[in-house]
Amino acid sequence: GAVVSQHPSWVICKSGTSVKIECRSLDFQATTMFWYRQFPKQSLMLMATSNEGSKATYEQGVEKDKFLINHASLTLSTLTVTSAHPEDSSFYICSASGTSGTPSSYEQYFGPGTRLTVT
Amino acid sequence: AQTVTQSQPEMSVQEAETVTLSCTYDTSESDYYLFWYKQPPSRQMILVIRQEAYKQQNATENRFSVNFQKAAKSFSLKISDSQLGDAAMYFCAYRTELIGTSYDKVIFGPGTSLSVIP
Repeated sequence: GAVVSQHPSWVICKSGTSVKIECRSLDFQATTMFWYRQFPKQSLMLMATSNEGSKATYEQGVEKDKFLINHASLTLSTLTVTSAHPEDSSFYICSASGTSGTPSSYEQYFGPGTRLTVT
Repeated sequence: AQTVTQSQPEMSVQEAETVTLSCTYDTSESDYYLFWYKQPPSRQMILVIRQEAYKQQNATENRFSVNFQKAAKSFSLKISDSQLGDAAMYFCAYRTELIGTSYDKVIFGPGTSLSVIP
């Protein structure tokens, strides 16, 4: 149980275009979802926290107009990278946390990640 | 703001031996949650062990155990009988007690790369 999927797993886009990444909790209700960014050989950096039905809370230094996060349902959150540039190339990871259908309410369950390459 | 520090960028251990990975954190909260995650080359994050701050008893999961010192804000991970499959990046993480609120967040340490020598 507590499976999180991410789609796509790998995407290449041209500079200036937008790309959307989906994060789904497959067998539980995700009241909270987190979005992270990870550069090679570095740690996970929290970008934003989103609670279902509420606006996302962005970490300092993360451009909310560039990284649009939507958590419209208890099983789906999306991250849209708008007007992507090569410096946005990174590995993006989502995680989900919920109170119903999971072994614990404080544990987060991770998606497999999305590798974004902007050319 | 909360911070998490891992002072050992790289560690190595002989197969079947024991290794301890260090983690310290800083917070003004009294209740919170601590985790150790493993990230193999596939980059899929795997939960190793978790600890609720209000519990004094150290968590244990098979070969993995923690030494949680709340006053010292220390949360080290001990891996016993190390196996080749334990080789990975290990991250210590802190989650606030404000779960489900707009203040909810998870902070990761910089990570420790563990090598296991056959």
